[in-house]
Amino acid sequence: DIQMTQSPSSLSASVGDSVTITCQASQDIKNYLNWYQQKPGKAPKLLIYDVSNLETGVPSRFSGGGSRIHFTLTIFSLQPEDIATYYCQQYENLPLTFGGGTKVEIK
Amino acid sequence: QVQLVESGGGVVQPGRSLRLSCAASGFSFRTYGMHWVRQAPGKGLEWVAVMWFDGRSTDYADSVKGRFIISRDNSKNTLYLQMNSLRAADTAVYYCARDLNTANPSTFDYWGQGTLVTVSS
Repeated sequence: DIQMTQSPSSLSASVGDSVTITCQASQDIKNYLNWYQQKPGKAPKLLIYDVSNLETGVPSRFSGGGSRIHFTLTIFSLQPEDIATYYCQQYENLPLTFGGGTKVEIK
Repeated sequence: QVQLVESGGGVVQPGRSLRLSCAASGFSFRTYGMHWVRQAPGKGLEWVAVMWFDGRSTDYADSVKGRFIISRDNSKNTLYLQMNSLRAADTAVYYCARDLNTANPSTFDYWGQGTLVTVSS
């Protein structure tokens, strides 16, 4: 199985800051990488697919990058509504696997 | 609009069975692959199973293989998860999710609200 390692597991930043979450795959997953946002008590929501494509309706302050093994999710100008846990997910192989999540909080 | 509504969760004793349902609406259900994904309390997301649009292709996480069965009824726009030999470790919120890719399992573009399954004596 492909292991997805996210860091940090949690972060706290101020409104307006830029924050970056990293996701590392245990093997080359090409560009088969998605990001999800899960707000407290809610179902996950697709944020970015295929590394860098924003899902419809996602604000442009979210940006994804990387390739093969190393990937990033950056939130430019963090907003209060961005409080959530973020997960990366690979689909190079079954089983589909997720990173452990990064909890983003506001200072 | 796309809607996925899970039902069938509850409290069940270890070793017993439970069947979850996911009613889909707002899209052509028969043309999409569908998944179950679960989340144990306070934990991360774990993919459980997939059934492809035609119902012929399925796959499972090792943790549920041989105990869970995914199925679908395209005439009723409904996805199912038959869970047998339940264990405490199966306690989780179970989400059904649609796959946006029509060729291979890849991306969960719509999710239901989830249904909680608690396995406890």
